[in-house]
Amino acid sequence: DIQLTQSPSSLSASVGDRVTITCRASQAFSNYLAWYQQKPGKVPQLLIYSASTLQSGVPSRFSGSGSWTEFTLTISSLQPEDVATYYCLNHNSAPLTFGPGTKVEIK
Amino acid sequence: QVQLVQSGSELKMPGASVKVSCEASGYSFTTYAVNWVRQAPGQGLEWMGWITTNTEKPTYAQGFTGRFVFSLDTSVNTAYLQISSLKPEDTAIYYCAKHSRDLGLPDYWGQGTLVTVSS
Repeated sequence: DIQLTQSPSSLSASVGDRVTITCRASQAFSNYLAWYQQKPGKVPQLLIYSASTLQSGVPSRFSGSGSWTEFTLTISSLQPEDVATYYCLNHNSAPLTFGPGTKVEIK
Repeated sequence: QVQLVQSGSELKMPGASVKVSCEASGYSFTTYAVNWVRQAPGQGLEWMGWITTNTEKPTYAQGFTGRFVFSLDTSVNTAYLQISSLKPEDTAIYYCAKHSRDLGLPDYWGQGTLVTVSS
């Protein structure tokens, strides 16, 4: 099974900052990597799939890149409403696996 | 619009069983699998597995075999998660989520059901 790690586990940044979260896989699996945002007390929401495709309705300040074993989620200009935990997901094949999450806070 | 509505919170004693329901609407229920995802208090998301809604075949992730059972009632567009021999460590929010065949991932999620196991 593919294991995912995320770094950092948490970060604090100022409004307007560029934020980057990394997701690393235990083995290469092309680009079937998704990112979800979970705001406190809320249901996870899909942001990006297939490593770099923005889900409909997601603000363009979110972007994804990467392939094989290393993927990144970038928020180009952090906004107060982006406070959340971000999870990567391997959606290459079953078993699907989530990364442990990265908690993003405002400084 | 696509909606998945889950049953309400449950408080159970250790050793008991619980059955969580997930009623789908707004799409063809038997076309898309249903995923189940667990989130323990303050913890991350764990994919428990899925059940195909045309063949009713469940697939369980490692760690979710034996006490966990996925089932369906396609006559009422509802998926179920049953957990038997409950343990305190089963305390979590359980989410159902429609599986997007095109994207290969959960796209629409239920609101979650909190199951608390405590004596």
